[in-house]
Amino acid sequence: GAGVSQTPSNKVTEKGKYVELRCDPISGHTALYWYRQSLGQGPEFLIYFQGTGAADDSGLPNDRFFAVRPEGSVSTLKIQRTERGDSAVYLCASSNYSGASTDTQYFGPGTRLTVL
Amino acid sequence: SQQGEEDPQALSIQEGENATMNCSYKTSINNLQWYRQNSGRGLVHLILIRSNEREKHSGRLRVTLDTSKKSSSLLITASRAADTASYFCATVTNTGNQFYFGTGTSLTVIP
Repeated sequence: GAGVSQTPSNKVTEKGKYVELRCDPISGHTALYWYRQSLGQGPEFLIYFQGTGAADDSGLPNDRFFAVRPEGSVSTLKIQRTERGDSAVYLCASSNYSGASTDTQYFGPGTRLTVL
Repeated sequence: SQQGEEDPQALSIQEGENATMNCSYKTSINNLQWYRQNSGRGLVHLILIRSNEREKHSGRLRVTLDTSKKSSSLLITASRAADTASYFCATVTNTGNQFYFGTGTSLTVIP
C-alpha cells in the first residue's frame, strides 16, 4: 500500500507569510507525528497525534506553530508569520499505535521549507 | 532538544569493510531504534532493541545496547556502496510518545 505522503515537497516563502504543510499518513494508522530537521541534524519532535487529538505538543517551538488532524487521518502543520529560522525539512511519520512504545514509525519524504 | 549523540559524525570506508556507529543517550528508555536516511529522503526504520535486550541481529545489521552506559552501537557487516546514507539512533521513552533522535552518522561506502 501507499506510504506516508507529504505535500508540497518544496515550499519557498517570504518572511512573515503563512504556510501550511500537509501529511497523508498510511491508511489506518492512528498515530501521527511531526518532526523538524535542520541541515546536518537529526529530526526534532514537534507534535504527536493519537486520533484527532494532539496527545503531546510539547515540541512546538512557539505559538506561531499549530497542527490539526480534524478527521484522524490527514494532518496539516500551520506556521504563522514565518521567520528565516523556520527553514528546515518538516517530516511527518505515522504508526499503527497499539499503546506500545515499540511501534515503528513510517516516515514521509518531508517538505523542504525555505523562508527568504 | 535531542537526547542521542552519535559518533563518529562521519565515516568513510571501503566496500566490504564493516562499519560501526555508536549512540549515547541521557535518560531511561523503553527501547532504542536505528533509522537510515538517504540524502533528501525520509527516514527508514532498520532495527529496534528493547531496554532488556543486549544484542540483536537483522541481516547484515548487529545492534548492541548497554543500558548501564546508556549507549548503543550499530554494526553493518560487509558494507556495500548502497549502504551510503546517514544513520540515526532514536530513543523512545516509556510513554512511547516521543522519539528523540541523535545527530546522526554520515556513512560513505566507497566502491
